[in-house]
Amino acid sequence: QVQLVESGGDVVQPGRSLRLSCAASGFSFNNYDMHWVRQAPGKGLEWVALIRYEGSERYYADSVKGRFTVSRDNSDNTLYLQMNSLRVEDTAVYYCVRDSWGVDFWGQGTLVTVSS
Amino acid sequence: EIVMTQTPLSSPVTLGQPASISCRSSQSLVHSDGNTYLSWLQQRPGQPPRLLIYNISKRFSGVPDRFSGSGAGTDFTLKISRVEAEDVGLYYCMQGTQLPPYTFGQGTKLEIK
Repeated sequence: QVQLVESGGDVVQPGRSLRLSCAASGFSFNNYDMHWVRQAPGKGLEWVALIRYEGSERYYADSVKGRFTVSRDNSDNTLYLQMNSLRVEDTAVYYCVRDSWGVDFWGQGTLVTVSS
Repeated sequence: EIVMTQTPLSSPVTLGQPASISCRSSQSLVHSDGNTYLSWLQQRPGQPPRLLIYNISKRFSGVPDRFSGSGAGTDFTLKISRVEAEDVGLYYCMQGTQLPPYTFGQGTKLEIK
């Protein structure tokens, strides 16, 4: 069965960096586009980034452009999100999401807290 | 950026009764390939979101048939024919037609009266 397991969430100070990982299993990872979507505490869903299946195209929300980088290792079935210059407003649960006809499978999420 | 607007934001419903949530987009969601990439997601308390409906009206695998989607262009609706206790949670519409960014509605809270 499809599994997406995020890791790397932590409490960090503003301005610091963090890298999230998402281990994928149960499907042909290299055939699917993948997203990161976040949800601030008590708030709605916010799309963060998309990387195409082969890694050649990447798209970002304006709120993270220039600070976050999405990447993938298709040989290791892993999705990454490098987050630099973190801000308090980046505090959220970050979900790794598979894209098929829709955003069809979501991980359980990993919590990133940015606080001084 | 396409703005997605959901109504209502809160919907108290009696068990066994129908429920309906509307979603309006600021631009047409018809893609140049002819598809309309409008999805509905459910988020139960303490859980990640789950895909219910994609491409306006296609039910995702394992989704009960009491859930249905309809609409076209800029106006879309999610209907639950008979609400069950397990349906409590937040419901989001999402557009994947114009990227970036993918955008979500604000969310509608479904609760039991």
